[in-house]
Amino acid sequence: GQQLNQSPQSMFIQEGEDVSMNCTSSSIFNTWLWYKQDPGEGPVLLIALYKAGELTSNGRLTAQFGITRKDSFLNISASIPSDVGIYFCAGQPLGGSNYKLTFGKGTLLTVNP
Amino acid sequence: NAGVMQNPRHLVRRRGQEARLRCSPMKGHSHVYWYRQLPEEGLKFMVYLQKENIIDESGMPKERFSAEFPKEGPSILRIQQVVRGDSAAYFCASSPKEETQYFGPGTRLLVL
Repeated sequence: GQQLNQSPQSMFIQEGEDVSMNCTSSSIFNTWLWYKQDPGEGPVLLIALYKAGELTSNGRLTAQFGITRKDSFLNISASIPSDVGIYFCAGQPLGGSNYKLTFGKGTLLTVNP
Repeated sequence: NAGVMQNPRHLVRRRGQEARLRCSPMKGHSHVYWYRQLPEEGLKFMVYLQKENIIDESGMPKERFSAEFPKEGPSILRIQQVVRGDSAAYFCASSPKEETQYFGPGTRLLVL
């Protein structure tokens, strides 16, 4: 099946710092999605990207759909303690079903107040 | 507007027992998806259902696992004769059509 490589696996930062994480694939994706999962909860959609090169913001979060359609990144600016959680990239590969999401393994973010 | 609801939130079973996980989609959503998350892993697609129909069960183990979404009531993911390897978080998502999926809080299954 499709594989998404997400990095870094974990990050430990100070409050106020900016954060960047990315996701790569060996194959082309039609859609890139970024989710956040809090402990004991389900993933919550943060940003959805549908076109190569697309750059989308949601508050302090910015995500981009890579030009090659094989990667995406998520930036968080001026981190705060409530940003703590696991961030997942997910996508729908080209030629695949448009409902079957493929997920990365996640980036665990810890923010030190 | 209530979100996707799943129950129970936590379920403990002994090996060989049955586990039944329930999912009520968001109001107005007729498409339901089930995913499994193993510890320190991403979510893996299991099955996609619409009312009274299984559309795609390519991610479901061939044995012991079944899913349904009846005309009335919640979607059910059923695991018969559970084994320790079934311990995981099971997430349900719903959507109005084949578009943005909204996830429930999950059911954490522990098999002793």
